[in-house]
Amino acid sequence: QVQLQESGPGLVEPSATLSLICSVSGDSISGNFWSWVRQSPGRGLEWIGYIYSSGATNYNPSLNSRVSMSVDASQNHFSLNLNSVTAADAAVYYCARLHFSSSEEFDPWGPGILVTVSS
Amino acid sequence: ETVLTQSPGILSLSPGERATLFCRASQSVSSNFLAWYQQKPGQAPTLLIYGASKRATGIPDRFSGTGSGTEFTLAINRLEPEDSAVYYCQQKGGSPLYTFGQGTKLEI
Repeated sequence: QVQLQESGPGLVEPSATLSLICSVSGDSISGNFWSWVRQSPGRGLEWIGYIYSSGATNYNPSLNSRVSMSVDASQNHFSLNLNSVTAADAAVYYCARLHFSSSEEFDPWGPGILVTVSS
Repeated sequence: ETVLTQSPGILSLSPGERATLFCRASQSVSSNFLAWYQQKPGQAPTLLIYGASKRATGIPDRFSGTGSGTEFTLAINRLEPEDSAVYYCQQKGGSPLYTFGQGTKLEI
């Protein structure tokens, strides 16, 4: 059974960089697509981007200039960096596996991590 | 951007009844790329339906998805109290590549 778990600081200062890790168990990072989605009361569910195990990425254009993702196959985890954060970036951040075949959907998801932006 | 509009916003029904949830897209969506999720309070979304009509693993046949083009429907038969949740549709296409609807809250 595939399980994902987000980790990282729950509090980030304005203008700093938000860094999160998603640890994957029960499946290999290799050969799969992995994604980040965030949820806030104001924006609802918002797709941030995905990364393939090769390192290829695709980001939401609204965040493209501030976001980067990476994968570490040796640790079986992938990461999210979002720089220059503001209060608008406060949200629950989820990692998820992206099924990428004849259909494309997110399954499963990690439990999520709440990120607050404050000094 | 393909905007997904879900209706109704809130749906209140009794156990045993049938729920019908709607998802309208601002432009045509391939049926292959329309999915539905269930989210209970304090939990992450879980996949219910993918490819507009295919049930995800372990999802009971009380849940069914239909639709094409810009109109999609999620039906839940024989409602149970544990079906109380927020339901989201999601599509792939356009820019950004993936978008979600704003959700329908189902109260049993």
